[in-house]
Amino acid sequence: SYELTQPPSVSVSPGQTARITCSGDALPKQYAYWYQQKPGQAPVLVIYKDSERPSGIPERFSGSSSGTTVTLTISGVQAEDEADYYCQSADSSGPVVFGGGTKLTVL
Amino acid sequence: EVQLVESGGGLVQPGGSLRLSCAASGFTFSSYWMSWVRQAPGKGLEWVANIKQDGSEKYYVDSVKGRFTISRDNAKNSLYLQMNSLRAEDTAVYYCARDSSGYDLKSYYYYMDVWGKGTTVTVSS
Repeated sequence: SYELTQPPSVSVSPGQTARITCSGDALPKQYAYWYQQKPGQAPVLVIYKDSERPSGIPERFSGSSSGTTVTLTISGVQAEDEADYYCQSADSSGPVVFGGGTKLTVL
Repeated sequence: EVQLVESGGGLVQPGGSLRLSCAASGFTFSSYWMSWVRQAPGKGLEWVANIKQDGSEKYYVDSVKGRFTISRDNAKNSLYLQMNSLRAEDTAVYYCARDSSGYDLKSYYYYMDVWGKGTTVTVSS
């Protein structure tokens, strides 16, 4: 199998831009997805297929991909964006892999 | 409304068994892969198992192979996880998730687009 590596934490002030990275050797060949999880709640999909945004997700959430790294960008961060964020990928052989998660703190 | 509701969690002794259920509503259950994902206390998400629409393909994380069995009943719109030989490290919140999967012009895709609220499993003596 393969691994996805995320920074444990990212901090940003309200109104600034937060960037959370996810690295993995398989990412040039596979899509990445991002989930937001607030304390005591189930995860919510915020980005799929590297950069697509599900309906209902604010436009300030965006995703990008470059080589072995994908990035979740939150522009104009709000206090409500404070949460844990997980990247995920999968290949057609079946198993699904999550990154270790990044705690976003809004200062 | 698309909804997934897990049940069956609880306290079980090491070596014991538990069967989790997930009731799906608001969508055509038989058209989707489904997954179980767990989260140990204070830890990250861990995919546990998934199952194809007709149950013909099943995959597991290495740590549960031979102990857990995923299954589904499309007539009842239900997903299950039979957990045997439980260990302390299986203690977690277990989430049921609907999977979106397929191929587009670029690549294979597979992600969880709907999640239940989870059910808690505690393995302790």
